[in-house]
Amino acid sequence: GAVVSQHPSWVICKSGTSVKIECRSLDFQATTMFWYRQFPKQSLMLMATSNEGSKATYEQGVEKDKFLINHASLTLSTLTVTSAHPEDSSFYICSASSGTGGYEQYFGPGTRLTVT
Amino acid sequence: AQSVTQLDSQVPVFEEAPVELRCNYSSSVSVYLFWYVQYPNQGLQLLLKYLSGSTLVKGINGFEAEFNKSQTSFHLRKPSVHISDTAEYFCAVVRAGKSTFGDGTTLTVKP
Repeated sequence: GAVVSQHPSWVICKSGTSVKIECRSLDFQATTMFWYRQFPKQSLMLMATSNEGSKATYEQGVEKDKFLINHASLTLSTLTVTSAHPEDSSFYICSASSGTGGYEQYFGPGTRLTVT
Repeated sequence: AQSVTQLDSQVPVFEEAPVELRCNYSSSVSVYLFWYVQYPNQGLQLLLKYLSGSTLVKGINGFEAEFNKSQTSFHLRKPSVHISDTAEYFCAVVRAGKSTFGDGTTLTVKP
């Protein structure tokens, strides 16, 4: 149980275009979803926290107009990278929490974004 | 605010040897503690967690960790490692539902 999927697993896009990444909880209802960014050989940096039906809460330094997060249902959250630039290339990981079980988060497999 | 320090960025070890990956945290309030493993180009997999109760926590793949409140540590141990344990390991603290991760420790198991 507690499976989180991400789609796509990797994507290449041209500079200036937008990319949408989906995060789904497959067998539980995710009241809260988190989006992280991970650079090579580095730790996960929390970008934003989203609760179903509410606006996402962004961490300091994260541009909310560039990284649009939508958590429209208890099983789906999306991250849209708008007007992507090469510096946005990274590994994006989502996680989901049902709000029970000691705040455990279940992580998706990640999405590798490359902006050319 | 809480922070996590993983004291070793890289730990090389021979197969079947014991290993300890060190994690210290700082927080002014009680937190939950987690260890995760990440294989290349994959997400994080939970190894074990400490919420309350017994300070010795057993996880998957033969790993265990001990919570030491006085030393604010949560070190991860395995008595005998396998080649397949080669991966990146992250310690994390959770407070108010938000996770803070350490910088990670690369465990390399050599034959």
